[in-house]
Amino acid sequence: QSALTQPASVSGSPGQSITISCTGTSSDVGGYNYVSWYQQHPGKAPKLMIYEVSNRPSGVSNRFSGSKSGNTASLTISGLQAEDEADYYCSSYTSSSYVFGTGTKVTVL
Amino acid sequence: QITLKESGPTLVKPTQTLTLTCTFSGFSLSTSGVGVGWIRQPPGKALEWLALIYWNDDKRYSPSLKSRLTITKDTSKNQVVLTMTNMDPVDTATYYCAHATYYDILTGYYGGFGYWGQGTLVTVSS
Repeated sequence: QSALTQPASVSGSPGQSITISCTGTSSDVGGYNYVSWYQQHPGKAPKLMIYEVSNRPSGVSNRFSGSKSGNTASLTISGLQAEDEADYYCSSYTSSSYVFGTGTKVTVL
Repeated sequence: QITLKESGPTLVKPTQTLTLTCTFSGFSLSTSGVGVGWIRQPPGKALEWLALIYWNDDKRYSPSLKSRLTITKDTSKNQVVLTMTNMDPVDTATYYCAHATYYDILTGYYGGFGYWGQGTLVTVSS
């Protein structure tokens, strides 16, 4: 099982919107609606931001939204803020296991 | 309030077996729908899912590491233990345990890992 593919880095200015892609296959992202997204600040544990493609856990800002089309899932951060600068990872269920993405570093310019 | 904390050795030698313990509070692994997983992250690299144990003792493993991993639970102690055999320097990583959240009773899958421990760094070196 291979890691899901994410862009290494994405950047944007404060207030802008950015989108991070997560590309898999029909055996993972495309086959199940169990895609989740995690935010990780340096030296910290990951934080769940989106589950089941587009659902936000309680307490997560509505500036974060998720979607999926075919084998690619996406995380959009709108109204980018300095505190959003972090690493982001997608994850998907796949055939009795889970797989994470390669990770994307988000930089707020 | 759900909390998890990993414990175990910080340094292991190549070929040794690693045993990590996840001690949690705020939930019970005897409750239907509850699961605990292990995820690791080599320094500067991406997250890697390792294993998951369900409340009913069902277990799932990463296909690439399945032969080396064993996950068990001790419900009375609120603990989950992960063992990994034949450790190698490439296994150097921060190991996290996490509460598997948003269980879908129809499919048996979890929506995500909603609560994480602080992680424990394990270095493999002679």
